[in-house]
Amino acid sequence: EPEVTQTPSHQVTQMGQEVILRCVPISNHLYFYWYRQILGQKVEFLVSFYNNEISEKSEIFDDQFSVERPDGSNFTLKIRSTKLEDSAMYFCASLRDSTDTQYFGPGTRLTVL
Amino acid sequence: AQRVTQPEKLLSVFKGAPVELKCNYSYSGSPELFWYVQYSRQRLQLLLRHISRESIKGFTADLNKGETSFHLKKPFAQEEDSAMYYCALRGTGANSKLTFGKGITLSVRP
Repeated sequence: EPEVTQTPSHQVTQMGQEVILRCVPISNHLYFYWYRQILGQKVEFLVSFYNNEISEKSEIFDDQFSVERPDGSNFTLKIRSTKLEDSAMYFCASLRDSTDTQYFGPGTRLTVL
Repeated sequence: AQRVTQPEKLLSVFKGAPVELKCNYSYSGSPELFWYVQYSRQRLQLLLRHISRESIKGFTADLNKGETSFHLKKPFAQEEDSAMYYCALRGTGANSKLTFGKGITLSVRP
């Protein structure tokens, strides 16, 4: 069964550095999402992406964040200048169509020192 | 605004005992409700959704619009049910986001 994949599984970075988290959604899916989960807290929506543009973003998704689908396969989340509070588990999800459910990747644990 | 409330953080039961994981929601329209499960060191995966009205792994959940609840139930818990369970809501719109509750850890003891 096809799965959403994410790389790396764990990323450690220094505060102020840029990071790019990568996701490969399921191949025939059209809608893409990023969520994050700070340790001990709930899974929070960051951004949704459809037809090569952002459909919705949360308050968390400020100017430091950006998403891209550069090659029709990967779906990336970039944090331009990481802060300590960006430390979290980041989940990618994809969806085939509006009647489908979201399929989640295994997550990338981001640690900002 | 949409909100999902899971009032308990942990439920610990013995094998064979009934389980009820509570979920209440707040949404002005007609939401779609889901339960996701996360087993140790695995990804979030869909357990069930209210529109399918299925029983998955012995779990059921009924949407009660009057009480705005979507409690997850299983009559006889098994050790392999031990996991983190998240209730989630999706609003109207083709690509609406999921709003999650805080999750509950279910621990089933032998």
